[in-house]
Amino acid sequence: GAVVSQHPSRVICKSGTSVKIECRSLDFQATTMFWYRQFPKQSLMLMATSNEGSKATYEQGVEKDKFLINHASLTLSTLTVTSAHPEDSSFYICSAHEGAGAEQYFGPGTRLTVT
Amino acid sequence: AQSVTQPDIHITVSEGASLELRCNYSYGATPYLFWYVQSPGQGLQLLLKYFSGDTLVQGIKGFEAEFKRSQSSFNLRKPSVHWSDAAEYFCAVGRNDYKLSFGAGTTVTVRA
Repeated sequence: GAVVSQHPSRVICKSGTSVKIECRSLDFQATTMFWYRQFPKQSLMLMATSNEGSKATYEQGVEKDKFLINHASLTLSTLTVTSAHPEDSSFYICSAHEGAGAEQYFGPGTRLTVT
Repeated sequence: AQSVTQPDIHITVSEGASLELRCNYSYGATPYLFWYVQSPGQGLQLLLKYFSGDTLVQGIKGFEAEFKRSQSSFNLRKPSVHWSDAAEYFCAVGRNDYKLSFGAGTTVTVRA
């Protein structure tokens, strides 16, 4: 149980285009989803918290117009990187919380490369 | 604000030897503590967690961790390391709002 998927696992896009990453909780309902960014050989940095049916809460320094988050259902959150640039290239990981306890369940990550 | 320190950036251990990864945290309230493992290019897998109760926690893959409130530590141990344990290990502290703060990670290399 408690499986989280991400799609796509890898994506390459050209500078200036937008990319959407999906995060799904497969066997539970996620009241909250989190989006992280991880640079090579570094730790995970929380970007935003996504609650179903409400606006995402962004961490300090994260551009909300750059990283659009939608949490339309209890099993799906999407992260759209708008007008991507090479510096947005990174590993993006989502996690889901089902509303009980403090545990988050992590997706396998999405490798974004912007050329 | 909470913070997590993993003092060891890289540890090399021989297969079959014991392993201990250090984690210190700073948090005003009772913390939720986690250890995760990440293989290259993969997501995070939960090894074990501490919420309350017994301070010695058993996890998957033969790992255990001990919560020591007086030292603000939550060190991870494994008595005998296997080559498949080579990975990146992250300690994390969770808050009441369920947000996690991660340490910088410790890379474990296992030599034959």
